[in-house]
Amino acid sequence: GDSVTQMEGPVTLSEEAFLTINCTYTATGYPSLFWYVQYPGEGLQLLLKATKADDKGSNKGFEATYRKETTSFHLEKGSVQVSDSAVYFCALSDYGYGQNFVFGPGTRLSVLP
Amino acid sequence: EAQVTQNPRYLITVTGKKLTVTCSQNMNHEYMSWYRQDPGLGLRQIYYSMNVEVTDKGDVPEGYKVSRKEKRNFPLILESPSPNQTSLYFCASRQNSGNTIYFGEGSWLTVV
Repeated sequence: GDSVTQMEGPVTLSEEAFLTINCTYTATGYPSLFWYVQYPGEGLQLLLKATKADDKGSNKGFEATYRKETTSFHLEKGSVQVSDSAVYFCALSDYGYGQNFVFGPGTRLSVLP
Repeated sequence: EAQVTQNPRYLITVTGKKLTVTCSQNMNHEYMSWYRQDPGLGLRQIYYSMNVEVTDKGDVPEGYKVSRKEKRNFPLILESPSPNQTSLYFCASRQNSGNTIYFGEGSWLTVV
């Protein structure tokens, strides 16, 4: 079945550091790919998405590019802020009627001032 | 405002005492789902529903029930809660053909 693998956390960075959180997937079809973010005490919010190969999703300074050849969707940000501290989930959804979402285990990011 | 609303947000209960976590969405979505989130395991799907009166098991359905009598509501029922059901629960919804899923704020459930 479909699956998503993320780098183990927690990740601790200083403010203004460069962030990469790796995500790779296994899917039988051609999925859409997502990054969701969960701030402390809150539910998951969509951060960005990409629906086909070579698409780049971006939002709030975060970017991720859909790489079909390496089955990856790594999350990057050039300069993190303390307010980016959260848990980040990579997810996929095989496009189609009623298809389920599959989530990775999440990566906790802590940004220190 | 588009919302998925869960209640209660926080609950401590005792083993065996039936409880219901409600979920309501105002986006007219056909698809609704329940997940539980546990450390190191990410989100695991408990049950989902593709429309009124249509429900299906997810990956971890044991110990849970759901119902979908109205499009907007999808309650999660724990008939006889046990300590291994202590977790953070999320309700979610989307259009059946949509590729973005919307989450509630979560319900922290502790079973002692």
